[in-house]
Amino acid sequence: GQQLNQSPQSMFIQEGEDVSMNCTSSSIFNTWLWYKQEPGEGPVLLIALYKAGELTSNGRLTAQFGITRKDSFLNISASIPSDVGIYFCAGRSNTGTASKLTFGTGTRLQVTL
Amino acid sequence: EAGVVQSPRYKIIEKKQPVAFWCNPISGHNTLYWYLQNLGQGPELLIRYENEEAVDDSQLPKDRFSAERLKGVDSTLKIQPAELGDSAVYLCASSFRVANPNTGELFFGEGSRLTVL
Repeated sequence: GQQLNQSPQSMFIQEGEDVSMNCTSSSIFNTWLWYKQEPGEGPVLLIALYKAGELTSNGRLTAQFGITRKDSFLNISASIPSDVGIYFCAGRSNTGTASKLTFGTGTRLQVTL
Repeated sequence: EAGVVQSPRYKIIEKKQPVAFWCNPISGHNTLYWYLQNLGQGPELLIRYENEEAVDDSQLPKDRFSAERLKGVDSTLKIQPAELGDSAVYLCASSFRVANPNTGELFFGEGSRLTVL
């Protein structure tokens, strides 16, 4: 099935560094979501975006809904070891119903001390 | 508040054997989803239920996969017979019918990891 393009595929950073990742689509979405998945667990919602151009923060995480509606960005500031995991973006084309989410391919984040 | 509960967490079977996964959604969530997650990839939707009705099963391989949500709460996903390529994590998620800033988004269970030998 279709998966959104995420980059980078993986990142190895040192504790305290800032992280940026993005997600692009060939289709327009009305909703962008960012999830984090740790080994052996299900994805956990981090941030939800519902309006083009919207910038939303959740602690050290900041995400933006691209103005073209075809992309989204996630930034993590001052990374810590517990940020390790796989970050998935997900897009939805209709906010009126619980319709299908399309997930990205994931960005694997490793944080070293 | 309890989250989405799935069982079993892990299952190892030989090919051609049947297997079933169970999901209990968050209380009050009308919509239930089964997702397939292959290693190194994002989740892909298999089937979506609104109450007891399957409203999107276009990605479910119906020759060997089946699902049911008889009373609009718990759901079971079955594979019969299993093939080697079915080894993956099967994720269940739930939400209110209208997912929006007020009602919240999809919440996932921990998943059922299947290994077919």
